[in-house]
Amino acid sequence: DVKVTQSSRYLVKRTGEKVFLECVQDMDHENMFWYRQDPGLGLRLIYFSYDVKMKEKGDIPEGYSVSREKKERFSLILESASTNQTSMYLCASSPPGTRTSTDTQYFGPGTRLTVL
Amino acid sequence: AQSVAQPEDQVNVAEGNPLTVKCTYSVSGNPYLFWYVQYPNRGLQFLLKYITGDNLVKGSYGFEAEFNKSQTSFHLKKPSALVSDSALYFCAVRAPFTGGGNKLTFGTGTQLKVEL
Repeated sequence: DVKVTQSSRYLVKRTGEKVFLECVQDMDHENMFWYRQDPGLGLRLIYFSYDVKMKEKGDIPEGYSVSREKKERFSLILESASTNQTSMYLCASSPPGTRTSTDTQYFGPGTRLTVL
Repeated sequence: AQSVAQPEDQVNVAEGNPLTVKCTYSVSGNPYLFWYVQYPNRGLQFLLKYITGDNLVKGSYGFEAEFNKSQTSFHLKKPSALVSDSALYFCAVRAPFTGGGNKLTFGTGTQLKVEL
């Protein structure tokens, strides 16, 4: 079974702190994703990466950055946390999509971040 | 741009009755469509997907979904609901492969409540 793990289930930080959220997958997947989930808004894509050291902005990248130094690990960084970044953060991974197939994204359990 | 609409924030159904969770989509080209389920304090779990072929797709836990191209819909169904089906359900869409990852666009989610 694919396993996607996230470093923390719950995290409480103060405004202005630098926050690191870590995600690790064990299936050698090329693609990795960071979403945030908010009630009534569903999941919104923050950043994704389709290869080591490659990254692309999603729909809401402002206030976030990412790092992918190794294939299995994708980090989300909040450079200076703000209260409006209080949310559930979900990481996902998948094999690459191709012209004749598409592949399921597998999700981690999520990190519920509270910024005070 | 691709988009997904889940018109109902919540669906209530009695155990043993059939259930339907609605989803409509907008995408250029033939869509790849997904349903995911999220139980409380958990990540998203894949239920089923439509890529091509038979319009009726069967998935996990007795769920199925019907792809209707003319109505641009992909409604999730189950003939007989269980209390344990109570969860948050997300529909997602992806356009055919365009390179550089396989981004999904998610709906806002529908809370399913199955009561005795």
